[in-house]
Amino acid sequence: DVVMTQSPLSLPVTLGQPASISCRSSQSLEHSDGNTYLNWFQQRPGQSPRRLIYKVSNRDSGVPDRFSGSGSGTDFTLKISRVEAEDVGVYYCMQGIQWPRTFGQGTKVEIK
Amino acid sequence: EVQLVESGGGLVQPGGSLRLSCAASGFTFNKYAMRWVRQTPGKGLEWVSDISSSGDNTYYADSVKGRLTISRDNSKNTLYLQMNSLRAEDTAVYYCAKGSPGTIDYWGQGALVIVSS
Repeated sequence: DVVMTQSPLSLPVTLGQPASISCRSSQSLEHSDGNTYLNWFQQRPGQSPRRLIYKVSNRDSGVPDRFSGSGSGTDFTLKISRVEAEDVGVYYCMQGIQWPRTFGQGTKVEIK
Repeated sequence: EVQLVESGGGLVQPGGSLRLSCAASGFTFNKYAMRWVRQTPGKGLEWVSDISSSGDNTYYADSVKGRLTISRDNSKNTLYLQMNSLRAEDTAVYYCAKGSPGTIDYWGQGALVIVSS
């Protein structure tokens, strides 16, 4: 199985400051079709998860441009350029290259 | 607007059975793979199962293989998860999710399953 490792697991951030979450996979997520199947999801308190980013860096419709994804191979990053109050929640990465699909442990973003 | 509405959750005794349903709307159901993902209370996300758009191909996490069965009825735009031989560790919120290659693009609101005597 592909193991997804996120860090940090807890991220206190000051409003308006940047935040960065790392996700590392135990195997390359680059598919033979040329795509890299790394996704980021946000789960706000009491809500279902919501996709933010797919294929490393493609932002979903309606996702603020302060969210960005980057990386390649086995090393990926989600960045929030300026954290707002509505960004509080848990963020998960997920690989889509192999079954079983696997998620990172989650990173809890909270306001200091 | 894509909508995924789960139903069928509840309290069941260990060893018992339950069937979850997911009514889909807002997209052409028979063109997309579908998934079930669960979340144990206060913990992270665990992928459970996938089914191809036609229903011909299914995939399962080792933890549920042989006990949970995914299926779909494309004429009813509905996804199912038949859960047998339930264990305490199956207690979780079960999310129905719409799939695209290598990703999940929409999630339902979730159905709570509690396995307890």
